[in-house]
Amino acid sequence: DAGVIQSPRHEVTEMGQEVTLRCKPISGHNSLFWYRQTMMRGLELLIYFNNNVPIDDSGMPEDRFSAKMPNASFSTLKIQPSEPRDSAVYFCASSLQGAQTGELFFGEGSRLTVL
Amino acid sequence: EDQVTQSPEALRLQEGESSSLNCSYTVSGLRGLFWYRQDPGKGPEFLFTLYSAGEEKEKERLKATLTKKESFLHITAPKPEDSATYLCAVQRRSNDYKLSFGAGTTVTVRA
Repeated sequence: DAGVIQSPRHEVTEMGQEVTLRCKPISGHNSLFWYRQTMMRGLELLIYFNNNVPIDDSGMPEDRFSAKMPNASFSTLKIQPSEPRDSAVYFCASSLQGAQTGELFFGEGSRLTVL
Repeated sequence: EDQVTQSPEALRLQEGESSSLNCSYTVSGLRGLFWYRQDPGKGPEFLFTLYSAGEEKEKERLKATLTKKESFLHITAPKPEDSATYLCAVQRRSNDYKLSFGAGTTVTVRA
């Protein structure tokens, strides 16, 4: 069974450009998470969707970040305009029923570099 | 604010040299503590869930234990393939979806 699929794996862009990261969760999972990982701050939860509905977006850094989940098999994280401090690895994860068992299935991540 | 502190930051071991990683936590009403493994260029991979003090979980050469203030991940007779970053995360009883992660311990096992 395919795991969580993220694209692109690597993105290099210039400051001010729009960036869109994509995620396909595991089929049958009803919970989806976007995390950001940096050396300074580690893994941080950005937003959590349950049954395609955003439940908690308190981790989204600012209005430049937005996330959507139009259906159960697709989600996007958009940054507009991008800034150098947004450089990080962005992970999508999915699970059954939130994180009640603690078992999240992570994708391989999208490494973003903003010049 | 939940706090998760992992030590040491890095650990270099000889193959077969057993050791332990520490995860100390401060959380208001612990629901669960979780261990993940992360290989370079990959996403974290779930290892264990611990819910109450005194609980232990084992998987191959790894054993996780939990007390009221900390958790240990014991690596017995490690092999080079155990080289990875090990992440600890906690979850509050009042929240069934948010995991707060520590910074991780990077383990390198030399043959």
